Amino acid sequence: DIVMTQTPLSLSVTPGQPASISCKSSQSLLHSDGKTYLYWYLQKPGQPPQLLIYEVSNRFSGVPDRFSGSGSGTDFTLKISRVEAEDVGVYYCMQSIQLPKTFGQGTKLEIK
Amino acid sequence: EVQLVESGGGLVQPGRSLRLSCTASGFTFGDYAMSWVRQAPGKGLEWIGFIRSKAYGGTTEYAASVKGRFTISRDDSKSIAYLQMNSLKTEDTAVYYCTSVDYWGQGTLVTVSS
Repeated sequence: DIVMTQTPLSLSVTPGQPASISCKSSQSLLHSDGKTYLYWYLQKPGQPPQLLIYEVSNRFSGVPDRFSGSGSGTDFTLKISRVEAEDVGVYYCMQSIQLPKTFGQGTKLEIK
Repeated sequence: EVQLVESGGGLVQPGRSLRLSCTASGFTFGDYAMSWVRQAPGKGLEWIGFIRSKAYGGTTEYAASVKGRFTISRDDSKSIAYLQMNSLKTEDTAVYYCTSVDYWGQGTLVTVSS
């Protein structure tokens, strides 16, 4: 199975400041079709996960542009340019290039 | 508006069975693969399986932790995906979500306990 490793596991950020989460995969997520199957989700307290970013860097419909994704191969990053109070929750990366699909452990974002 | 609504969760004894349903609306259900993901209390997300769309054979794949015990099916005429769970274990206790990858349901809680 592909292991997804997120760092840090927790993050405390002052509103208006940037935040960054790293996700590393144990194998390359680059498919022969040219796409890289790395997703980012946010699970707000008491809610199901919601898709933020698909295929490394594509923001999903309705996702604010303060969220951005980057990376390639096995190293990926989610950045929030200016954290807002509504961004609290647990962030997960997920790979879907290989079954079983696997998630990172999650990174809990709190507001200072 | 896309909606996924899970139902069928509850308290069940170890060794028993339960069937969850995921009712979809707001999109062409038959065109999409549907996955089930679970989250044990206070834990992270675990993918447990999915069913491809009929265009891709409608075949299923499962995580090792549930293979042979859980079965995913779909009824495209009703826009429903099912998760049949047999031989339930206490470690299957979790919130079960259905997801099309883009969208997730609110989840349904399954508690396996005697």
